[in-house]
Amino acid sequence: EPEVTQTPSHQVTQMGQEVILRCVPISNHLYFYWYRQILGQKVEFLVSFYNNEISEKSEIFDDQFSVERPDGSNFTLKIRSTKLEDSAMYFCASSEDRGYGYTFGSGTRLTVV
Amino acid sequence: TQLLEQSPQFLSIQEGENLTVYCNSSSVFSSLQWYRQEPGEGPVLLVTVVTGGEVKKLKRLTFQFGDARKDSSLHITAAQPGDTGLYLCAGAGRGSTLGRLYFGRGTQLTVWP
Repeated sequence: EPEVTQTPSHQVTQMGQEVILRCVPISNHLYFYWYRQILGQKVEFLVSFYNNEISEKSEIFDDQFSVERPDGSNFTLKIRSTKLEDSAMYFCASSEDRGYGYTFGSGTRLTVV
Repeated sequence: TQLLEQSPQFLSIQEGENLTVYCNSSSVFSSLQWYRQEPGEGPVLLVTVVTGGEVKKLKRLTFQFGDARKDSSLHITAAQPGDTGLYLCAGAGRGSTLGRLYFGRGTQLTVWP
């Protein structure tokens, strides 16, 4: 069964450093998303991406965050200057249709120290 | 912000019992999705309900979308230890927020042999 692949599975970084989280969505999907889950809290929407541009972003997705689809297969989330409160599980997802049929990746656990 | 409240938060039952998990909101959603999440993994889609009053069955799991598309329920018949896990409901926004999922906190189900 097709799956969304995320790398790395774990990332530890120092506060103020830049991190890039990588995702390979399902090949025939057109919509791509990033969500995050702080330990013990709800899964929260960050951003959706379609046709090479951001289609929607949440209040969390401020100027320190950016997304990119650098080639035909990868979808990345960059955090420019990490803060302690960015520590969370970050999930990439993709879907064929907007808002339907999501497939989530296994996540990247980001720890900012 | 569209909030989804799930209840109960924790449910511990014996094998063979029936159970119902509820997902409620004051907001209308374009669809309601149910996921199951294992520790350290991404949510895995179980079902999507779209039409008010819709009922979908997946083996021993029955999902219902409220007539007003504000709430949903998950009923499990004759629960088995393999059903143990975190069950999440998520509502898809409408209009410009169609691509965004609003997650509940989840119901942690434990089924004892």
